Amino acid sequence: AQSVTQPDIHITVSEGASLELRCNYSYGATPYLFWYVQSPGQGLQLLLKYFSGDTLVQGIKGFEAEFKRSQSSFNLRKPSVHWSDAAEYFCAVGTNTGFQKLVFGTGTRLLVSP
Amino acid sequence: DVKVTQSSRYLVKRTGEKVFLECVQDMDHENMFWYRQDPGLGLRLIYFSYDVKMKEKGDIPEGYSVSREKKERFSLILESASTNQTSMYLCASSLTTGHGYTFGSGTRLTVV
Repeated sequence: AQSVTQPDIHITVSEGASLELRCNYSYGATPYLFWYVQSPGQGLQLLLKYFSGDTLVQGIKGFEAEFKRSQSSFNLRKPSVHWSDAAEYFCAVGTNTGFQKLVFGTGTRLLVSP
Repeated sequence: DVKVTQSSRYLVKRTGEKVFLECVQDMDHENMFWYRQDPGLGLRLIYFSYDVKMKEKGDIPEGYSVSREKKERFSLILESASTNQTSMYLCASSLTTGHGYTFGSGTRLTVV
């Protein structure tokens, strides 16, 4: 069965600094990979997704993520963080065979300091 | 855009009550899901459904049941609410895994 690890529970970044959130997955084949963002008290919003093709994918709000098969990673990046990016970020992995459901990581809470 | 609507944002119920959480999606999606979200545990799948009247247990189905009588509506039922079911409940729908999920805004349930 697939699984996802987000090793960082909290990350604090200064406004304007770059950001990288880590995600490692476990799955035998090429998975579907997703990043979601959750603002306080809200549901999850899709930031970006990957299945095949270019390993660097662009998403909304200036985010990008890079799929690295050799490292089983799908890290999320942003070159310059804004205060409004403070939220919780979830990585998810899905299969492309059998019944298709996603498994989510435990999330990384991003704090943005002035 | 697909919209997933959860009927209540906040709910307070007493121990032992039967609780219904409603979720409606407006884009004819086959698949619907109920998750609960707790600090440090991420999202855990309670039940999912891939068609009308079809349901499958997720990772933590104990104490819950579901109903899907119409394609657009997926209800989560707590047969006898307990304090350990205090949580944020998230409903989602999808066309296929490759499309990702669309989530509702969540229902924060407190059982007292």
